[in-house]
Amino acid sequence: GESVGLHLPTLSVQEGDNSIINCAYSNSASDYFIWYKQESGKGPQFIIDIRSNMDKRQGQRVTVLLNKTVKHLSLQIAATQPGDSAVYFCAETFTNAGKSTFGDGTTLTVKP
Amino acid sequence: GAVVSQHPSWVICKSGTSVKIECRSLDFQATTMFWYRQFPKQSLMLMATSNEGSKATYEQGVEKDKFLINHASLTLSTLTVTSAHPEDSSFYICSARDWTGQETQYFGPGTRLLVL
Repeated sequence: GESVGLHLPTLSVQEGDNSIINCAYSNSASDYFIWYKQESGKGPQFIIDIRSNMDKRQGQRVTVLLNKTVKHLSLQIAATQPGDSAVYFCAETFTNAGKSTFGDGTTLTVKP
Repeated sequence: GAVVSQHPSWVICKSGTSVKIECRSLDFQATTMFWYRQFPKQSLMLMATSNEGSKATYEQGVEKDKFLINHASLTLSTLTVTSAHPEDSSFYICSARDWTGQETQYFGPGTRLLVL
């Protein structure tokens, strides 16, 4: 079935370093992708999104890259801060289906 | 903007009782709301899609008679866990998509359910 998976379940970085979180998706028809951040005991928080007609999108300290050829998505966080420590999920959406499928999640730990 | 609230934030109940969880969009009208459950250290699993004024669409394996969903207005959807059992203990999260049809979902803070 459809699945969205992450290459690394955990990632530990030093404060100030850049972080890269990866995600693989399986549905080549997916046309919209979102990265969410979830802190412990809270609901997911939207970080950044990208449509399938783009391969890169930048936000504040975050960049999402989309490689449709290999069905790969990544989230880059610049100058990672302790407040970035959380679980990060990618989600893929096939617009016609109207719903999103979430990946397994990567736990990012930022060491001071 | 785009705030979604859930009530209660946590609930403890005895096995066999029913629990109702509310999901509200506070500053926008949500034609579609989604209900997820999340077990510790796991991802979000979609349970059902709720459209205002119509029956919810349940994902495969989710019992519609056990997890009753009502989306009576453009700002409120409710999930009722009927005859709850300990295995229903989980973190239940709702999300809402606004009337413009944009794909972005705005998530509530979640409701932690513990069934004794």
